[in-house]
Amino acid sequence: KAGVTQTPRYLIKTRGQQVTLSCSPISGHRSVSWYQQTPGQGLQFLFEYFSETQRNKGNFPGRFSGRQFSNSRSEMNVSTLELGDSALYLCASSLTGSDTGELFFGEGSRLTVL
Amino acid sequence: AQSVTQPDIHITVSEGASLELRCNYSYGATPYLFWYVQSPGQGLQLLLKYFSGDTLVQGIKGFEAEFKRSQSSFNLRKPSVHWSDAAEYFCAVGALAAGNKLTFGGGTRVLVKP
Repeated sequence: KAGVTQTPRYLIKTRGQQVTLSCSPISGHRSVSWYQQTPGQGLQFLFEYFSETQRNKGNFPGRFSGRQFSNSRSEMNVSTLELGDSALYLCASSLTGSDTGELFFGEGSRLTVL
Repeated sequence: AQSVTQPDIHITVSEGASLELRCNYSYGATPYLFWYVQSPGQGLQLLLKYFSGDTLVQGIKGFEAEFKRSQSSFNLRKPSVHWSDAAEYFCAVGALAAGNKLTFGGGTRVLVKP
């Protein structure tokens, strides 16, 4: 069974640009969550989608957005990139919306903003 | 607001020795508690979880954790460490109503000496 797949794995952008990251959950999983990991702030929750609806949102500015498609694949977008957006963005899937916290993580997309 | 504190940033342990990682949480209601492990360049993997019931929970890779409500702690232990246990370990707290919105501690990096 394939795991959570995130693309791209690495990318470099410049300030002011936007970026879209993609996540394919484990087959059959319907919930997708996104986390940002930085050395300074650690792991922070961005948002969670379940059945194409945003179920939870963390404390990030509106520049951070996401969506989920009918096949459960998810994308997150960051607009008007800032240097501080440099981070590892982790996607995690779970089978349903009720298996709280039992997450399967991808290897992440490492974003560098110059 | 919930929070998680992992007091030890780094721990060095000899192979074959025991390991204990500390985790203290702050949460108003009964928490859902988790330990995740992250190997270099990888995503996070769930080691074990506590929702309710027996306060000593067993996880994968020979790890166990004990929930102590009076101390607001959920410490992770392993009787005999293997070189492959070198990784970063994260304690996290969640809640049923929060879905997969987890609050993570800052992590403890474990180094294993031969």
